[in-house]
Amino acid sequence: GQQLNQSPQSMFIQEGEDVSMNCTSSSIFNTWLWYKQDPGEGPVLLIALYKAGELTSNGRLTAQFGITRKDSFLNISASIPSDVGIYFCAGPPNSGNTGKLIFGQGTTLQVKP
Amino acid sequence: GVTQSPTHLIKTRGQQVTLRCSSQSGHNTVSWYQQALGQGPQFIFQYYREEENGRGNFPPRFSGLQFPNDSSELNVNALELDDSALYLCASSPGQGGARAFFGQGTRLTVV
Repeated sequence: GQQLNQSPQSMFIQEGEDVSMNCTSSSIFNTWLWYKQDPGEGPVLLIALYKAGELTSNGRLTAQFGITRKDSFLNISASIPSDVGIYFCAGPPNSGNTGKLIFGQGTTLQVKP
Repeated sequence: GVTQSPTHLIKTRGQQVTLRCSSQSGHNTVSWYQQALGQGPQFIFQYYREEENGRGNFPPRFSGLQFPNDSSELNVNALELDDSALYLCASSPGQGGARAFFGQGTRLTVV
């Protein structure tokens, strides 16, 4: 079945640094979603992308829908300690069941003050 | 927002459990996910207007209900140790649910 692969698996950066992470698939996605999950909480939707090539920002976060429709990228600028958490990419597969979201395995971000 | 109850639960293997979810106002699609430790959420099933609208690769002992007020239940029978996980409810406007908003989850531990 369709899978989403996220890289890197984890990152440990200094406060103030920029962060980049990506998500790839062997098959096409028509929607890409980026979520952040804090420990013991549910995922929070950060950015939704609907068109190939689309670039969308939410504060210090910027995400892009890859031209091939098989990948997406999330960038965080000037990281701060509250950016710590697990970032997931997700999308609905093209099997006809638009209700299902497939999630990547997550990128864990740690920020050193 | 989406609210789930209870937040934590401990059950014994073989027992049955019911988890509850209240959707975000105006959302009539609800989905349930299972998230094992260190992994991304896995889709269990989705309900739209009280009808099941898709199911993931979970056995029939996982069942659900959606009520007219768009609240929902997840029932799991004959609990197994591997059912220990964070169970997440997500609601979406309209049918399909691509743009899903999650509750805080219920942490289920099976001993």
